[in-house]
Amino acid sequence: AQKVTQAQTEISVVEKEDVTLDCVYETRDTTYYLFWYKQPPSGELVFLIRRNSFDEQNEISGRYSWNFQKSTSSFNFTITASQVVDSAVYFCALSAGTTSGTYKYIFGTGTRLKVLA
Amino acid sequence: EAGVAQSPRYKIIEKRQSVAFWCNPISGHATLYWYQQILGQGPKLLIQFQNNGVVDDSQLPKDRFSAERLKGVDSTLKIQPAKLEDSAVYLCASSPPAGSFAFNYGYTFGSGTRLTVV
Repeated sequence: AQKVTQAQTEISVVEKEDVTLDCVYETRDTTYYLFWYKQPPSGELVFLIRRNSFDEQNEISGRYSWNFQKSTSSFNFTITASQVVDSAVYFCALSAGTTSGTYKYIFGTGTRLKVLA
Repeated sequence: EAGVAQSPRYKIIEKRQSVAFWCNPISGHATLYWYQQILGQGPKLLIQFQNNGVVDDSQLPKDRFSAERLKGVDSTLKIQPAKLEDSAVYLCASSPPAGSFAFNYGYTFGSGTRLTVV
């Protein structure tokens, strides 16, 4: 079975603080993809990053960074020097192959981040 | 490129009524998905199309939900009759084929249709 767990339901930080959003996944597939999406109040899901299961190199993009550790089945997301505009719900997602050869997402329940001015 | 278009943006209906949602994916995206997102939860896949064929509809409540994708482009999702628990945001997404370079950029989601059943 495939599963994504985001244990943090809601996090509040003060602007300029660093914050880490946790994501733990379960899958038996050896080839899979992990994603983070941002959902602002407007409701649209915005793609942030995709990693495949063979690439454990951490990635940094501006104030965003991601730590992928297969040993602990985790794919954590850190926002450095948070800003009010970062306030949103963040979803971690897992995509693995199906018998049809296509992929489908399993989403976590999301973490609501509130950045206070 | 244009994004995934969905309409209507909002819909309020009474229980036992029918409702339909429309989605126009990104041009050239063969795969189209419908997700249901209940308030406070992550999106749940309802149905996945590859061109105009159904790939996965295992979580679609087929007694009341139906979906079609004629000609492999636009898609409609219908609920008949609606129940109170169907109140949710219905998200449509599309993607290029897995394995293509563009797949690196994940799905593209539409803005969704917020359905309220009263």
